[in-house]
Amino acid sequence: AQTVTQSQPEMSVQEAETVTLSCTYDTSENNYYLFWYKQPPSRQMILVIRQEAYKQQNATENRFSVNFQKAAKSFSLKISDSQLGDTAMYFCAFMKHGVGGSEKLVFGKGTKLTVNP
Amino acid sequence: GAVVSQHPSWVICKSGTSVKIECRSLDFQATTMFWYRQFPKQSLMLMATSNEGSKATYEQGVEKDKFLINHASLTLSTLTVTSAHPEDSSFYICSALKTLNSGNTIYFGEGSWLTVV
Repeated sequence: AQTVTQSQPEMSVQEAETVTLSCTYDTSENNYYLFWYKQPPSRQMILVIRQEAYKQQNATENRFSVNFQKAAKSFSLKISDSQLGDTAMYFCAFMKHGVGGSEKLVFGKGTKLTVNP
Repeated sequence: GAVVSQHPSWVICKSGTSVKIECRSLDFQATTMFWYRQFPKQSLMLMATSNEGSKATYEQGVEKDKFLINHASLTLSTLTVTSAHPEDSSFYICSALKTLNSGNTIYFGEGSWLTVV
C-alpha cells in the first residue's frame, strides 16, 4: 500500500517570500502521478500542480514548482513570491497509474500554510 | 483544467430523511468519480469509487446501504445519504478522473456541507 507523509503540520511565511512544503511517499510502483492540492477556507480542493513519475523534469505552474526526487521518493512544493491568497491547507497526493477505476488518490495529512502580511 | 460541479453546496435535512448530492463533470466525460468525506482538521477520507454503468466500490467501513452511489452517465454521479442522522453531518466532496493521452488527473467539486438536525 502507498503512503504519503507531510511532516510539517503548519508553516508560515511572509508575503513575497518563498516557502517550501515537504512531502515524501512510499510505493513499490514505478509508474504513478503526484499532485499538490490547495484547500482554502472555502474547502474546495484546487489542483496546484501535477507530476508524472516518468518525467525527470520538475513541473512548474507560475509561482509554484516542485522538486521531484524519484529515488528518494520526495516531492516538495515551492511557492515563490507568496501571496495572501496562498493561505490554505496544502495536500500532497499520490495516484498510481492504472485503468478501470483503480486510480485512487492517497493523501498526506496536509500542511496548513499561513501567509503573513 | 477541468470543471467539476457539486450540488447542493449546503443542505440541511431532518433526521431520518434522505438527501441526494450531485457531482457533475461539466467539460469532460468521467467514467470514474470518487466520493470523500472530510472531518474537521483532517484529510479527505475516500468513501467509494463510482464507475459509470457499474456498482460502486466502497471502502472498508463505509455502509453501502446508507451511502448509495449511482453513476448513471459519463458526467453525473450521485451520493444519497439515506436515513440521515446527526452523526452523518459532515463535508462531502466528489472528484472526477480526467483521462488524457498525456496522463490522468483528478479534479474536485466544490464540496457539500450536510447538516442533519
